[in-house]
Amino acid sequence: SQTIHQWPATLVQPVGSPLSLECTVEGTSNPNLYWYRQAAGRGLQLLFYSVGIGQISSEVPQNLSASRPQDRQFILSSKKLLLSDSGFYLCAWSVGLDTGELFFGEGSRLTVL
Amino acid sequence: GQNIDQPTEMTATEGAIVQINCTYQTSGFNGLFWYQQHAGEAPTFLSYNVLDGLEEKGRFSSFLSRSKGYSYLLLKELQMKDSASYLCAVRDSNYQLIWGAGTKLIIKP
Repeated sequence: SQTIHQWPATLVQPVGSPLSLECTVEGTSNPNLYWYRQAAGRGLQLLFYSVGIGQISSEVPQNLSASRPQDRQFILSSKKLLLSDSGFYLCAWSVGLDTGELFFGEGSRLTVL
Repeated sequence: GQNIDQPTEMTATEGAIVQINCTYQTSGFNGLFWYQQHAGEAPTFLSYNVLDGLEEKGRFSSFLSRSKGYSYLLLKELQMKDSASYLCAVRDSNYQLIWGAGTKLIIKP
């Protein structure tokens, strides 16, 4: 069966510090991978998605970046965090962009102080 | 612009039935999803509708009317564990998911 895992679960970082959130998927090959951010009272916001190794599409301009160094690994990074980067970050995978549902990781709560 | 509307919060009684509505205005339509999200946890998939009508899955049912841009999630025989947020999402013509802000459902004994 397929599983998705992301870490760390909770992170408290000062403004201007770097960020690295990691996500891995097991039990499937060539998944579509996504990074979402969820702010209180708002819908999930798609940040990045990837259809293959090294292929990253950015949906929202920001100081975040994403990388996919391996087929089942997706990383969300920032060189300098802003207060507005605080939120709940979710990694997800799907079989295809146009088919099936999304399967989400456990989520990472980021607080920038 | 694209928009998904659902009530912010609803309250229901254990054992009762509740209907959570979702209306959408999107550029194209390629399916509608309902997810359940407990506080502090990730969303989990509940249902998928692409054709008009009712999809039933145990205590949960989801209805879709594409002509009206409307869906609802029906929860029967409510249990305390059903207290959660319920997210409506529509896949648009570019196959991107547009998400509603979610409906927080509070179940009272």
